[in-house]
Amino acid sequence: SQTIHQWPATLVQPVGSPLSLECTVEGTSNPNLYWYRQAAGRGLQLLFYSVGIGQISSEVPQNLSASRPQDRQFILSSKKLLLSDSGFYLCAWSSGLFNQAELFFGSGTQLSVL
Amino acid sequence: GENVEQHPSTLSVQEGDSAVIKCTYSDSASNYFPWYKQELGKRPQLIIDIRSNVGEKKDQRIAVTLNKTAKHFSLHITETQPEDSAVYFCAASGQNFVFGPGTRLSVLP
Repeated sequence: SQTIHQWPATLVQPVGSPLSLECTVEGTSNPNLYWYRQAAGRGLQLLFYSVGIGQISSEVPQNLSASRPQDRQFILSSKKLLLSDSGFYLCAWSSGLFNQAELFFGSGTQLSVL
Repeated sequence: GENVEQHPSTLSVQEGDSAVIKCTYSDSASNYFPWYKQELGKRPQLIIDIRSNVGEKKDQRIAVTLNKTAKHFSLHITETQPEDSAVYFCAASGQNFVFGPGTRLSVLP
């Protein structure tokens, strides 16, 4: 069966520090991968999605970036964190893009930028 | 792009009563409408979905209806139980995938 791993679970970082969140999927090949952010009490905002290695689409211009160095690995990065980057970050995968299949979410990373 | 509105933002019902959450979308090209449930501190999980070629779908105590002409769809939960308490997100998908802002459902014992 397919599983998705996301780490770390919680992270406290000072403003201006770098960020690296990692997500891996097991049990499937060529998944579509997504990064979402959820602000406290708010909805799910799509940040990036990827349909293949090295292919990244950005939905929201900001100081975050994403990379997909391997088929089942998706990384969210920042060179300098802002206070507004605080939130709950969720990685997700699907076998089809958007309207074709269910999204399976990771357990999330609670990021606090102080 | 797609815009999804969701109402109400919070909903409290007595155990055993029904709950209805409504969503509207803007992009007539959207053709897939899933509903996700997120319990406190946990990941969202799909509970039911509907495609544009169907007007209604039911799975035990939950059902979803879709009106493509009016561009709205609704989640219906009958015989609510305390474990139904969670945040529910609707979404609309066509060219892109957009979630609604969520509804916090509280089922009171």
